[in-house]
Parts: sequence; structure tokens; C-alpha cells
Amino acid sequence: DAKTTQPPSMDCAEGRAANLPCNHSTISGNEYVYWYRQIHSQGPQYIIHGLKNNETNEMASLIITEDRKSSTLILPHATLRDTAVYYCIVRASGGYQKVTFGTGTKLQVIP
Amino acid sequence: GAVVSQHPSRVICKSGTSVKIECRSLDFQATTMFWYRQFPKQSLMLMATSNEGSKATYEQGVEKDKFLINHASLTLSTLTVTSAHPEDSSFYICSASKDRGYGYTFGSGTRLTVV
Repeated sequence: DAKTTQPPSMDCAEGRAANLPCNHSTISGNEYVYWYRQIHSQGPQYIIHGLKNNETNEMASLIITEDRKSSTLILPHATLRDTAVYYCIVRASGGYQKVTFGTGTKLQVIP
Repeated sequence: GAVVSQHPSRVICKSGTSVKIECRSLDFQATTMFWYRQFPKQSLMLMATSNEGSKATYEQGVEKDKFLINHASLTLSTLTVTSAHPEDSSFYICSASKDRGYGYTFGSGTRLTVV
């Protein structure tokens, strides 16, 4: 799996958009970008994934650059419950590929 | 949606004893499950891949005789920490895929404390 680089921590004001960046400059053509988050003392929760097009679901939006070397997860209106560690992972989809976690970004939403 | 259940959520055991952690896929069959370990303020570290009906595949540096994995059915994988020591105290998490590896669901984790 391609390696990812994320800032170790970020703050965001409650109600504002949280933009979490991820660099994955060695991503391969068949690798997807996945985002998970882990709230303290819980298992990781899937957020969103994409290959090359921007994606949106009820939780977040994913913006992938045209060269696919970086992406941004957007939480449009951050709440205190969004405080968590966010992990960006790149991997091939299907075939029970292992999910390997990097260090992630600790997002602190501030009232 | 896919649900993965772990039990127990918390366990305290004495040093030298063994502890079994269960991971169940509640609404789907999982031929493959993954086990992770997470120390405080660290990321998840993959320990092993659990395969139904066959031996687990362990990551480098993980002692297979200490962390016994059994995947006897399509909905249950167990991790047994044998002869536990305080350094085995950690947060253990399993995951499984409902759709052949396209998406993964994680259990809620088991907090193991060895005293």
C-alpha cells in the first residue's frame, strides 16, 4: 500500500468546515483513498472513499487532486462529536487487502 | 449495514493467565478478519489476518504462540492472549469485510489490562 502523510493535529471551530489534508504521492493507479476516524476508545469508523472523482456522502466530502497525489477530507459543519483521530489510507479495493494505519490527524473541534 | 461485535469490551486478568477475545460478524459471513492492537496515543498496528478454516497469518514480530487465533466459523474469530503479562495490556480491535474487501467494518474494541 502507498504511504500517506497527514498533519499530526488540527483545530477547528464548531460549526465551521474542517479540512483535513493527506498526501499520497506514491499512490498507484488501482489504489483508492479511504478515510476512517477513531473516536477515543472506540473502533475506527468508515467515513468515505474514492478513486479519482470527488465524492460526497452524509458524513463528509472527499476532494482528490487531478494527479491523485493528495486529497482533502471535508467535514462541512464540524461538531464537538467530530473530535477524533482521522486516518487517510490508500489501498487497492477488494480481495481482502490489509488495511494499514498511519499516524493520522487528531482533530480537535473547539466550542 | 455490516456490524462487527467484539466481546468483552473490557477485561482485567492476572499476569500468567490467558484471555479470549471474540469477534463476530453479526449480519454477514466473513471468511477473513483482521486483528489489531493499539497502545495509548499510538495508531492501530495490524497483528494478524484470520482466515476461516485455515491458519492465521501473522505480521512480522507478532508471536503466534502467544496470540492464538481461531477462525472456526464464517462469523466468529477469536484471539487468545496466552500467559498474559502487563506489557500485553492494550486495546485490541478486529475488523471484517462484508463485501470481499471493498469495505471494512471494525469492532468496538477490547481493553485488556493485565495486573
